[in-house]
Amino acid sequence: AQTVTQSQPEMSVQEAETVTLSCTYDTSESNYYLFWYKQPPSRQMILVIRQEAYKQQNATENRFSVNFQKAAKSFSLKISDSQLGDTAMYFCAFRNNNNAGNMLTFGGGTRLMVKP
Amino acid sequence: DAGVTQSPTHLIKTRGQQVTLRCSPKSGHDTVSWYQQALGQGPQFIFQYYEEEERQRGNFPDRFSGHQFPNYSSELNVNALLLGDSALYLCASSLQGAPNSPLHFGNGTRLTVT
Repeated sequence: AQTVTQSQPEMSVQEAETVTLSCTYDTSESNYYLFWYKQPPSRQMILVIRQEAYKQQNATENRFSVNFQKAAKSFSLKISDSQLGDTAMYFCAFRNNNNAGNMLTFGGGTRLMVKP
Repeated sequence: DAGVTQSPTHLIKTRGQQVTLRCSPKSGHDTVSWYQQALGQGPQFIFQYYEEEERQRGNFPDRFSGHQFPNYSSELNVNALLLGDSALYLCASSLQGAPNSPLHFGNGTRLTVT
């Protein structure tokens, strides 16, 4: 079974600054996906960024980028030029790509507060 | 293009009762998954439906059951409700056989058991 750990329950950052959220995972699989989801007070899970384990290049999406360290089983999210709208819960998630299912294993989340 | 829709948005039930939650997937999606998110925690996978059958199941008791209809919509049923079943229930849809296709989530149903 896979586990996902987010060691930072809460973080805060000043508007326009950069913040990094940590995530580690444990798996014996070699073919998988990793995701960061954002959950604002509206409750909807919104995909921020994803990484295929077989790709060495770190994924980027505008102000969001990841540092994927496969050997260390680490998958951190960097948010540059933080905006007030980035305030939300952030969840790291794992998906095994070796079956036909879409089961995600989530971490416990990090609450991010962006301060003006 | 409608995304994933869930109903109702909020629900209050009493211990021992039964509840049914509903989900309509995003247009073009054929697979529905259900997650339970307790307050302050990450979502936990309950089960997944494809072609009207349960395909995968997480570590949840048989009190949790589901159904998928020919139009791909889905229901989650919980029998003999416990106080610990109070949570946000999230529905997610996707396209089977498309691993690059991300899950799309609904806004959830907040269930309170008193």
